[in-house]
Amino acid sequence: VHLVESGGHLVEPGRSLRLLCATSGFDFDDHAMHWVRQVPGKGLEWIASINWNSDTIAYADSVKGRVSISRDNAKKSLFLQMNNLRPEDTALYYCSPTWEGSGGVYYFEYWGQGTQVTVPS
Amino acid sequence: QSGLTQPRSVSGSPEQSVTISCSGSSSDIGDYDYVSWYQQHPDRAPKLIIYDVSKRPSGVPDRFSASKSGNTASLTISGLQADDEADYFCCSYAGGYSYVFGTGTTVTVL
Repeated sequence: VHLVESGGHLVEPGRSLRLLCATSGFDFDDHAMHWVRQVPGKGLEWIASINWNSDTIAYADSVKGRVSISRDNAKKSLFLQMNNLRPEDTALYYCSPTWEGSGGVYYFEYWGQGTQVTVPS
Repeated sequence: QSGLTQPRSVSGSPEQSVTISCSGSSSDIGDYDYVSWYQQHPDRAPKLIIYDVSKRPSGVPDRFSASKSGNTASLTISGLQADDEADYFCCSYAGGYSYVFGTGTTVTVL
C-alpha cells in the first residue's frame, strides 16, 4: 500500500486549496477513504470520509461547509477541496484507506507521509 | 464531535507497566467495538498498534494490550522498553463514517 499526499503549501487566510492523495498497491474501489490532520506537536483529528462509490460522505464539524472530499476511482485518487482557509487549518494532512468488504474495517492501518498546509494568522 | 479524553502524559521505568485511559461517550466508545490505538514517534506517521478494541496487528508485540469498559477504553504497555517512548492516540468509530480521536498521551520511559 502506497499513499502519497500532495498539494499542501503556504496559503493566505480565506483562500482555497486542493489536496491530492495518490494511491497504489490496493483495490482502491473496495475501500473507503479518509482525511486525518495533525497540528504540529498536537493530536490527530479526523476531518472527512468518503465511501467506495462516493454516495456516503461525512465531515467533522470543525470543517463542515468549508471542505469537500471527493474521489476518482479510475485514477485511484482522493481529493480534499478546502475553502475559506483559517489559521487553525494549519496542519499536516494525511489520507488513509479502510476496507469496505464483509462488514468493513474501522481503523487506519496505512498512512502516507502527509502534506503540510500552512495558513498564517 | 468532542475529542476523546486521554491523560496528557504517563511515565514508567523500564520493565514496568503503564496504562493509558481513553474516555469517550455513549455515541462513540460506548456504542461501537471499534476502538483503535496508534503509536507515533517524532516526525513519523502514526502506527496502528490495536484495532477492534483489543486486537493486535501482525508484528505488534504482545506487550501491548487493550480493553474497553462502557465509555472508556484502555491501553496497557507491559515490560516498558525505551522504544515505547512515543505519543499514543486512541480512536473510536462514531457512526455514519465519522471517527473521533483522543487528545493523545506522551509515554516517557524513565
